[in-house]
Amino acid sequence: DADVTQTPRNRITKTGKRIMLECSQTKGHDRMYWYRQDPGLGLRLIYYSFDVKDINKGEISDGYSVSRQAQAKFSLSLESAIPNQTALYFCATSVITSGETDTQYFGPGTRLTVL
Amino acid sequence: KQEVTQIPAALSVPEGENLVLNCSFTDSAIYNLQWFRQDPGKGLTSLLLIQSSQREQTSGRLNASLDKSSGRSTLYIAASQPGDSATYLCAVWTGSARQLTFGSGTQLTVLP
Repeated sequence: DADVTQTPRNRITKTGKRIMLECSQTKGHDRMYWYRQDPGLGLRLIYYSFDVKDINKGEISDGYSVSRQAQAKFSLSLESAIPNQTALYFCATSVITSGETDTQYFGPGTRLTVL
Repeated sequence: KQEVTQIPAALSVPEGENLVLNCSFTDSAIYNLQWFRQDPGKGLTSLLLIQSSQREQTSGRLNASLDKSSGRSTLYIAASQPGDSATYLCAVWTGSARQLTFGSGTQLTVLP
């Protein structure tokens, strides 16, 4: 079984709808992240959480919210989806191994299309 | 603000060639640099992580170098194979930002 899972894998929705993307991990990592990827661009950070009580905005948090329900679960919500939120969304986890060094482990991604 | 650039955006080579992918970053105050591989429809897989105090890391046919002072990293792939075809992304962990900043990637195609 995959260590980092995302549901759904694909979603098509309409403008104005509320959408939730879910991420679960079995790696036991404290840190979790949500990124989006657009064609021709690298991944950009939306939100990150270093533990259940620590949630931080990333580079592009406007229009998104998150919930860290447990160490293993981190959900991303789009309260009112708009077409420019059409993208590939990735969840990732990490753990500090030494100093500030950490390797991130990514889920398979959710392809979201907003019509 | 940290910015990461990868050149070229796309590269096509015949099987067996050695190749180099380039990554540059604007803020040299990094903790580490990572190279990832992304296959279509799949997530990212970490290939190599270089700590800021290191100059290079090797894994099999892959060798990554880091020159922090000049803000550059290279990923060397020896004896390329069709299975190496993927998008390769580099990312830097900048301590002040507490996050990874990604480049836009190089799409590699290795022709049989």
